[in-house]
Amino acid sequence: RKEVEQDPGPFNVPEGATVAFNCTYSNSASQSFFWYRQDCRKEPKLLMSVYSSGNEDGRFTAQLNRASQYISLLIRDSKLSDSATYLCVVNIGTGANNLFFGTGTRLTVIP
Amino acid sequence: EAQVTQNPRYLITVTGKKLTVTCSQNMNHEYMSWYRQDPGLGLRQIYYSMNVEVTDKGDVPEGYKVSRKEKRNFPLILESPSPNQTSLYFCASTTLGVGDTQYFGPGTRLTVL
Repeated sequence: RKEVEQDPGPFNVPEGATVAFNCTYSNSASQSFFWYRQDCRKEPKLLMSVYSSGNEDGRFTAQLNRASQYISLLIRDSKLSDSATYLCVVNIGTGANNLFFGTGTRLTVIP
Repeated sequence: EAQVTQNPRYLITVTGKKLTVTCSQNMNHEYMSWYRQDPGLGLRQIYYSMNVEVTDKGDVPEGYKVSRKEKRNFPLILESPSPNQTSLYFCASTTLGVGDTQYFGPGTRLTVL
């Protein structure tokens, strides 16, 4: 079983739509959680960390459910520039050597 | 500007010809790592280093070597590349600790014929 599993996608949504991605993790001792964004053929970049209480950054909202071991990312009012692959990342210990990446969910926002 | 640089960005080589991919960061980070990214498999860690002269294997270390003689540099060495090492490689650096952001280099696309 993979440490981190994501919705397979791809998601094709019209501009202005709301879209949600889920990600499940297998290790209940996981300590920190992140969403990264990766544009085609580019490096991943941190989109947001995910905190226990949930957190919001503009049109983006991240939620963590420890009991069910999943995290989610909600994007409201989708823009064309949101088209990318979104990677779920889980740290199962302290330090970045315990990071596990999901395979990513591809989002395409259509005009 | 804080950044991680990698060179070369693109490389086509032949089986068995030794190569080195360089990685350098200017953020004074203790921690550096190498990943490879393959379709359907996501990012997998090859090697990591927690500080100068401290390196350890990640999930897929076979066929790779690394060194960390200086804090800013963390080269990836393929002594005898094989076609199954054709992949997109990323170097990353971060400060140690839970929750710290990893900064990725721009990637090196390697093709081994």
